[in-house]
Amino acid sequence: QKEVEQDPGPLSVPEGAIVSLNCTYSNSAFQYFMWYRQYSRKGPELLMYTYSSGNKEDGRFTAQVDKSSKYISLFIRDSQPSDSATYLCAMSKTGNTPLVFGKGTRLSVIA
Amino acid sequence: GAVVSQHPSRVICKSGTSVKIECRSLDFQATTMFWYRQFPKQSLMLMATSNEGSKATYEQGVEKDKFLINHASLTLSTLTVTSAHPEDSSFYICSASDSTGTDTQYFGPGTRLTVL
Repeated sequence: QKEVEQDPGPLSVPEGAIVSLNCTYSNSAFQYFMWYRQYSRKGPELLMYTYSSGNKEDGRFTAQVDKSSKYISLFIRDSQPSDSATYLCAMSKTGNTPLVFGKGTRLSVIA
Repeated sequence: GAVVSQHPSRVICKSGTSVKIECRSLDFQATTMFWYRQFPKQSLMLMATSNEGSKATYEQGVEKDKFLINHASLTLSTLTVTSAHPEDSSFYICSASDSTGTDTQYFGPGTRLTVL
């Protein structure tokens, strides 16, 4: 079993839809959870950062962490074509340890 | 937000030459930087962890004599691909950990290396 599992998609949704992206993980030592957005041929851009369990909201984005289930989610409300990208979940044990990434989910929002 | 730059953004070189890639944290100090490699449609794979003033820690399977890493200051780490071969062609991305804040890792824009 890989440390972090993420469905690679692709996921295609109409503009305005709510998008749900998820990752599961196996290592209970992970404390820091992040979502990155990566456009083609670009470096990952940090979207959301969560420490331990709980929810965090930033504009149209909501990140949820359920450590008891080892499950994290990213919700995108009112999705836009500009949200079309690959979304990578990542996690680490401490802030200065390497991130372990999911494979990334490719999202297309159709106008 | 924290900004990490990489230079060059794209490089094409002949087989057998060496290529140096720079990673800079522009507005924060980074005691730790990470180097990743990403092949098309794949996720990021960690190559090495670079700590300022000490030797880098390489992941299993990554040749430290081929991928030389230097972290000479709190804002600069370099990756040198020595004697590059076509199979080294990839997207190389660095990240820097903001050790003074939330310990979040910020990524550079990446360097696309093509070895002919």
